[in-house]
Amino acid sequence: AQSVAQPEDQVNVAEGNPLTVKCTYSVSGNPYLFWYVQYPNRGLQFLLKYITGDNLVKGSYGFEAEFNKSQTSFHLKKPSALVSDSALYFCAVRDTPMNAGNMLTFGGGTRLMVKP
Amino acid sequence: NAGVTQTPKFRVLKTGQSMTLLCAQDMNHEYMYWYRQDPGMGLRLIHYSVGEGTTAKGEVPDGYNVSRLKKQNFLLGLESAAPSQTSVYFCASSYSPVRGLAGGRGNEQFFGPGTRLTVL
Repeated sequence: AQSVAQPEDQVNVAEGNPLTVKCTYSVSGNPYLFWYVQYPNRGLQFLLKYITGDNLVKGSYGFEAEFNKSQTSFHLKKPSALVSDSALYFCAVRDTPMNAGNMLTFGGGTRLMVKP
Repeated sequence: NAGVTQTPKFRVLKTGQSMTLLCAQDMNHEYMYWYRQDPGMGLRLIHYSVGEGTTAKGEVPDGYNVSRLKKQNFLLGLESAAPSQTSVYFCASSYSPVRGLAGGRGNEQFFGPGTRLTVL
């Protein structure tokens, strides 16, 4: 079984400061990890993913995430936050043994608030 | 390309009424999914389809039915709506595992804008 935890319901950061949104996962094999962002009244938008290779993955809008196998984590980061980054962020995982339907398991989401 | 579209955007039902939510995608994706989103619970998979004419249950299928008569469309039905089905519903699609990265398991899902359903 695969599962994802996002331990923080909300993260507050000042504009211009670095931000981190935490994600930990549990899978039986090797994970494929994804980050999505949801702006108010919108669907989820894909940000980035880790499949294999370099542990630091770069994605859209200046976001990056670091895969840490020993800590089973995939934290989302950005060096300098913008007010427009304020949104709901979801981490998701897919296990390497093929599950029927290629299903993703999502975390509960973390609301990022960037203040001017 | 319109991507993934959902109809309607909003709906209010009374308990016991029925309705159908329509999802359409123009990306020629094989796989399609229906999720519900509730506060603090992330997204939970209701049903999914791996191809035209095939459907399967996800994590929370009770009270819902689905059909995939055409590759581009995936319908979600509520036969007798209950207040517990008040939620935001999202449709998503992706390529099948036979295409794309890492045998397709690296394929991300593309989401529609959602349908906000209230059952009174």
